[in-house]
Amino acid sequence: QQQVKQSPQSLIVQKGGISIINCAYENTAFDYFPWYQQFPGKGPALLIAIRPDVSEKKEGRFTISFNKSAKQFSLHIMDSQPGDSATYFCAARSGGSNYKLTFGKGTLLTVNP
Amino acid sequence: NAGVMQNPRHLVRRRGQEARLRCSPMKGHSHVYWYRQLPEEGLKFMVYLQKENIIDESGMPKERFSAEFPKEGPSILRIQQVVRGDSAAYFCASSPRDRANNEQFFGPGTRLTVL
Repeated sequence: QQQVKQSPQSLIVQKGGISIINCAYENTAFDYFPWYQQFPGKGPALLIAIRPDVSEKKEGRFTISFNKSAKQFSLHIMDSQPGDSATYFCAARSGGSNYKLTFGKGTLLTVNP
Repeated sequence: NAGVMQNPRHLVRRRGQEARLRCSPMKGHSHVYWYRQLPEEGLKFMVYLQKENIIDESGMPKERFSAEFPKEGPSILRIQQVVRGDSAAYFCASSPRDRANNEQFFGPGTRLTVL
């Protein structure tokens, strides 16, 4: 059972465009929603994260929009650059005692020059 | 300030051999998580450890897999009698003791290939 569904699987955007990646979750016990960026051959790196009591968070060109009632959240990359080309994973963290992350399947973003 | 270190970065084993993957958390971090990533899949949680304790191993296969995080030294993920289906990238993450700020920092991963 996939607890975090991510779409699209792949995305091609022109330089300067907006990249949008969407995620949906089922488990209302999730209390923290990070996005990770992964380059080939590297480990995931935290990009930006949000808690469910906030509807939007912006850091530079990256924005998370969060809709608690719909159990959906999305990553927007403004003014996309070729250097943004990577795989992006949304994740959700369980509350309680262990804080394990549940990941979406990832979105391969390609930004064309 | 070194990040999470994993070694080896690449490991090739034949079916039936043992694989040992090592993870040194960031300095000051006492929580370690292991995740497995299959090709074109997201990361799947395997196990969560604190020093000398396994806190949650709900993602670990019941057989052949074990993990430890001793008082001294790195965390070890051990896979006995490897099979081709174990081929994957294995990532370790660490986080600080403070639960209010529990960001997980990932290492570069160990890519296991089983021949």
